[in-house]
Amino acid sequence: NAGVIQTPRHKVTGKGQEATLWCEPISGHSAVFWYRQTIVQGLEFLTYFRNQAPIDDSGMPKERFSAQMPNQSHSTLKIQSTQPQDSAVYLCASSRTSGSAETLYFGSGTRLTVL
Amino acid sequence: SQWGEENLQALSIQEGEDVTMNCSYKTYTTVVHWYRQDSGRGPALIILIRSNEREKRSGRLRATLDTSSQSSSLSITAAQCEDTAVYFCATDGGSAGNKLTFGIGTRVLVRP
Repeated sequence: NAGVIQTPRHKVTGKGQEATLWCEPISGHSAVFWYRQTIVQGLEFLTYFRNQAPIDDSGMPKERFSAQMPNQSHSTLKIQSTQPQDSAVYLCASSRTSGSAETLYFGSGTRLTVL
Repeated sequence: SQWGEENLQALSIQEGEDVTMNCSYKTYTTVVHWYRQDSGRGPALIILIRSNEREKRSGRLRATLDTSSQSSSLSITAAQCEDTAVYFCATDGGSAGNKLTFGIGTRVLVRP
């Protein structure tokens, strides 16, 4: 079991460009979560899917961020027109179910730098 | 302690010492997770304590939960250098199917 796989590990974009981040959850896990981590804000919830359906996107900045889960083996987080304040480590996690007592298994993250 | 607008806390201890870190949460939770994060890695669960438990132990780890004061603590006994990490608590906001909200974290440095 390779764990949660996130690609790329590092991404550098220019201001105004688009960034797409990829996540492959652990096989058999039905819930996938996206978090953003910065020094100032810590770990911020963005969105999550259960059985590929979007359940809660309350943490997503409304205008430029979108997430999809087209199949059970991967999820993407897309940021349009990236801004310097989007620079952060984006973490994907999966869990066996979406129950809050379930362990979240995190990937190593994608470090996004917007110049 | 973690939470709110506090900055990341930092603790520095000598190998072999005990260390305790605290977490205060704002709303009722059915469970408190404690995760550790090593540099360059994602957080990993180390212990979980449910709202009907007051204490949970796992090896050198001890978690406590006081629902009346909405606080939890994590203690590490006889810390080792490999315990150096950032430790986060996380709560579910009272809904068993809800996403987790993480505290700001406590950075622990264990010196040889």
